[in-house]
Amino acid sequence: DAMVIQNPRYQVTQFGKPVTLSCSQTLNHNVMYWYQQKSSQAPKLLFHYYDKDFNNEADTPDNFQSRRPNTSFCFLDIRSPGLGDAAMYLCATSRDVGGPQHFGDGTRLSIL
Amino acid sequence: DAKTTQPPSMDCAEGRAANLPCNHSTISGNEYVYWYRQIHSQGPQYIIHGLKNNETNEMASLIITEDRKSSTLILPHATLRDTAVYYCIVRVESTDKLIFGTGTRLQVFP
Repeated sequence: DAMVIQNPRYQVTQFGKPVTLSCSQTLNHNVMYWYQQKSSQAPKLLFHYYDKDFNNEADTPDNFQSRRPNTSFCFLDIRSPGLGDAAMYLCATSRDVGGPQHFGDGTRLSIL
Repeated sequence: DAKTTQPPSMDCAEGRAANLPCNHSTISGNEYVYWYRQIHSQGPQYIIHGLKNNETNEMASLIITEDRKSSTLILPHATLRDTAVYYCIVRVESTDKLIFGTGTRLQVFP
């Protein structure tokens, strides 16, 4: 089935140690998004790519970066994770801006 | 900030209709109403969206009031697998942003 795949489902890293989360899609959608969801909170958009154009949300910390090497893959890099960055990170896609978004099941990041 | 208000939780008996309300009194003319749900430990799942007219698909029905200030998502025959947090979101169709509010936690019981 076509889908949005996030691996791994659980990721543990050490305080300050860079970590990369990955997302792939088989939907051939133009837009890919990264959301952060902290415990008992709603998802919050960090940034998105429309094709190769990167769009950062104004309140996304500089510690968070993203790469999209091709249509199918998108990465979330956290340069120096702090304890407050422990969260579920959700990747989503949409065919174009404004359409329904299709989400992966997320990567739960823990910081030791 | 989210532009919607939803009750924090609701219960529904299995097999009965679940009616989830949403207030969006400041909705603009070009904003759509979207519904997503999030089952525990999964990503959000798109359910349905609409602008003015009522909409129905295989998952649910969306009833939007004539003044568009509120809407109701209807799950016609709730099952245990419908237990989830349901998010009502208003969104301009041409924009990329989904701003999630606090949602309604629906518990379907046997």
